[in-house]
Amino acid sequence: KAGVTQTPRYLIKTRGQQVTLSCSPISGHRSVSWYQQTPGQGLQFLFEYFSETQRNKGNFPGRFSGRQFSNSRSEMNVSTLELGDSALYLCASSLAWAGNTGELFFGEGSRLTVL
Amino acid sequence: AQKVTQAQTEISVVEKEDVTLDCVYETRDTTYYLFWYKQPPSGELVFLIRRNSFDEQNEISGRYSWNFQKSTSSFNFTITASQVVDSAVYFCALSLTDSWGKLQFGAGTQVVVTP
Repeated sequence: KAGVTQTPRYLIKTRGQQVTLSCSPISGHRSVSWYQQTPGQGLQFLFEYFSETQRNKGNFPGRFSGRQFSNSRSEMNVSTLELGDSALYLCASSLAWAGNTGELFFGEGSRLTVL
Repeated sequence: AQKVTQAQTEISVVEKEDVTLDCVYETRDTTYYLFWYKQPPSGELVFLIRRNSFDEQNEISGRYSWNFQKSTSSFNFTITASQVVDSAVYFCALSLTDSWGKLQFGAGTQVVVTP
């Protein structure tokens, strides 16, 4: 069974540009979450999607956005990149549904460097 | 708001020694879930255990064991007879029942096992 797949794995952008990261969840998983990991702030929650609906959003500026498609694949977008956006972006999928919290299965992440 | 504290930044041990990782959490909710994840150098977060707030039974899985104590809001993790492959960053996390994709992570503890 394939795991969570994130693309691209590595990318370099310059300030002011925008970036789109993609996440394909484990087959059958309808819940997708995104996290940002930096040395200074650690692992921080970005968004959570379930059946194409955003269920939760973390404390990030509006430059960070996401969406989920009908096949459960998800994308996140960061516009007007800043140096501080350099991070490892992790996607996770879950079998969880209302009232039943399942474990999150994480991808290997997309490492974004902003110059 | 939820909070997870992992006071130990780094623990260094020699192979075959036991190592215990501390985790203290804060939440006003009575129903919640606690997790431990391992992050090897590859970056992918690997699920180790999930425990709900109503289940205070300690658990042993191979060389891993967990001690959950609601009275002290702690969920500690012990690796017995450590091996070099155990070298990684270990994260404790908490989620609420209605936010299964939204984990509040601790800062992580770097475990270094030397031969």
